[in-house]
Amino acid sequence: DTAVSQTPKYLVTQMGNDKSIKCEQNLGHDTMYWYKQDSKKFLKIMFSYNNKELIINETVPNRFSPKSPDKAHLNLHINSLELGDSAVYFCASSQDTNTGELFFGEGSRLTVL
Amino acid sequence: AQSVSQHNHHVILSEAASLELGCNYSYGGTVNLFWYVQYPGQHLQLLLKYFSGDPLVKGIKGFEAEFIKSKFSFNLRKPSVQWSDTAEYFCAVAGGGADGLTFGKGTHLIIQP
Repeated sequence: DTAVSQTPKYLVTQMGNDKSIKCEQNLGHDTMYWYKQDSKKFLKIMFSYNNKELIINETVPNRFSPKSPDKAHLNLHINSLELGDSAVYFCASSQDTNTGELFFGEGSRLTVL
Repeated sequence: AQSVSQHNHHVILSEAASLELGCNYSYGGTVNLFWYVQYPGQHLQLLLKYFSGDPLVKGIKGFEAEFIKSKFSFNLRKPSVQWSDTAEYFCAVAGGGADGLTFGKGTHLIIQP
């Protein structure tokens, strides 16, 4: 039983396309996140939602739009994909915003050609 | 804002050698501290965490870390490494509230058999 699951695991697409990555957690956590891991393995937070409400929105292009239909799901939609968007995107969840202990999904490797 | 600095980007050791990975953080208040590990091609997993109490914390797979408040450090140690410890290691800090978890740039550890 995967606690935090993301789909798809791999995504190869052309520049200019629009794509989505889905994330679901079955841990009953209140907070979910999207992190981007670049080719140098550097992890940077992109968004955080607590009970379906956006609480962190780091400096990312507005081509990236998160959507949280309920507190168990946090999807990431990316418009007009660019070469620099190629990365591994990790979804994560935590019990709340205070402890900081995150549970990660297996990642979605996005390659933009 | 909080920040995390990991001293070594690449470390190469032989099996049975002792390991210490440095981590320093910058934050003005109380923090929760973490070490995560990412095995090749996998997602991040929690190795250990410090919230309060005994500054020497033990994690999985024989790892431990010591929180030294005066030095703003949370170094990771293991007395005798194994080939299977080859992975990327991330130190992270959570200051609570809406800041989420801030990661260091990671240390790529290679254990040679």
